[in-house]
Amino acid sequence: QKEVEQNSGPLSVPEGAIASLNCTYSDRVSQSFFWYRQYSGKSPELIMSIYSNGDKEDGRFTAQLNKASQYVSLLIRDSQPSDSATYLCAVNRGSQGNLIFGKGTKLSVKP
Amino acid sequence: DAGITQSPRHKVTETGTPVTLRCHQTENHRYMYWYRQDPGHGLRLIHYSYGVKDTDKGEVSDGYSVSRSKTEDFLLTLESATSSQTSVYFCASQQGAGNTIYFGEGSWLTVV
Repeated sequence: QKEVEQNSGPLSVPEGAIASLNCTYSDRVSQSFFWYRQYSGKSPELIMSIYSNGDKEDGRFTAQLNKASQYVSLLIRDSQPSDSATYLCAVNRGSQGNLIFGKGTKLSVKP
Repeated sequence: DAGITQSPRHKVTETGTPVTLRCHQTENHRYMYWYRQDPGHGLRLIHYSYGVKDTDKGEVSDGYSVSRSKTEDFLLTLESATSSQTSVYFCASQQGAGNTIYFGEGSWLTVV
């Protein structure tokens, strides 16, 4: 089983819709969870971090964490064409510093 | 944005030659990382450092070595480059375990 799994997509949504991106992880001791956005040819940039169960909102973005189900998601409200990118889920295991990344979900927002 | 710079940004080299990629950060971050990113594989950790002269292997460390003689610099060396090491290499840094990891702009390496 992969440590961090995401659907590769592409996920296509119309402009203005809600995009829902999902991620599961295998290691129950994971403590920190991150969503990064990566445009083609660019480096990953942090969108959200979440550390405790529940929802965390930042503008149009909401991260949801359920440690019992080992599941983390990212909702993007009022999706814009500029949101078209690959979204990477990353998990920080226990006391170790390094992040384990999923392979990413490619999102396409159609005007 | 964290001040992380990578050099060179683009390089073409021949099989069998040594290559060194440099990462420089100005944030005084304790942790530094080297990842490679390939289609179908995502970001994979090569090596990381949790302090000066303290390094450890990641999941794809074969054929790579690293050195960290100063907090701000983390070097990745390909001892004898192979075509399978053609990739995009990202350096990253982090203040402490569990904190946000910030990425450099990437180094595109082609081994011919």
